[in-house]
Amino acid sequence: NAGVMQNPRHLVRRRGQEARLRCSPMKGHSHVYWYRQLPEEGLKFMVYLQKENIIDESGMPKERFSAEFPKEGPSILRIQQVVRGDSAAYFCASSRGQGRTKSLNNEQFFGPGTRLTVL
Amino acid sequence: QKEVEQNSGPLSVPEGAIASLNCTYSDRGSQSFFWYRQYSGKSPELIMSIYSNGDKEDGRFTAQLNKASQYVSLLIRDSQPSDSATYLCAVNGPTGGFKTIFGAGTRLFVKA
Repeated sequence: NAGVMQNPRHLVRRRGQEARLRCSPMKGHSHVYWYRQLPEEGLKFMVYLQKENIIDESGMPKERFSAEFPKEGPSILRIQQVVRGDSAAYFCASSRGQGRTKSLNNEQFFGPGTRLTVL
Repeated sequence: QKEVEQNSGPLSVPEGAIASLNCTYSDRGSQSFFWYRQYSGKSPELIMSIYSNGDKEDGRFTAQLNKASQYVSLLIRDSQPSDSATYLCAVNGPTGGFKTIFGAGTRLFVKA
């Protein structure tokens, strides 16, 4: 499967627990983006990462949320002490090139998403 | 003013007709424009990207960009019931940094 992979596909957590969402980009892609989508709402940008670097985290809540993309392994979106309002679909996308370039390299391809439910 | 605006719809067209989806954006410095299709409960799927003024055609889809009017559109010719989905317009550019901003989407229904 050469597409963007995300796991788990569904995650249920109780309030106060931690949620870890994983994303493996497409082969040949080194740029990863995380988005959140609430029911009946649009996609909201959260963070943009390259290997070992956070490039833009302007969409990330200031507390409880963090993201990383280590040299080896998938990108991780971590939500600490989850609350009911964190329930949403979290999508990861990857691209071959940089987000500001005017070329096909910045086309983003999405993974299947992780549906997080906080009880 | 929202950064990327789309009519939420629903837009209903008969099978075989042309569906026209519109999007306006507020950041005049935006350089890259994308259309995605999202079926209910699924992830967004890239349909087309467009970077220059004018039209870009791919099969039944045509994207149109007018930077002066800050307007981008998607035409779907010979619409099929399988085209029924939410269509998302996305924009990024230098003044927006690395962010890609998505519109809330237009729901399209193609009636058989």
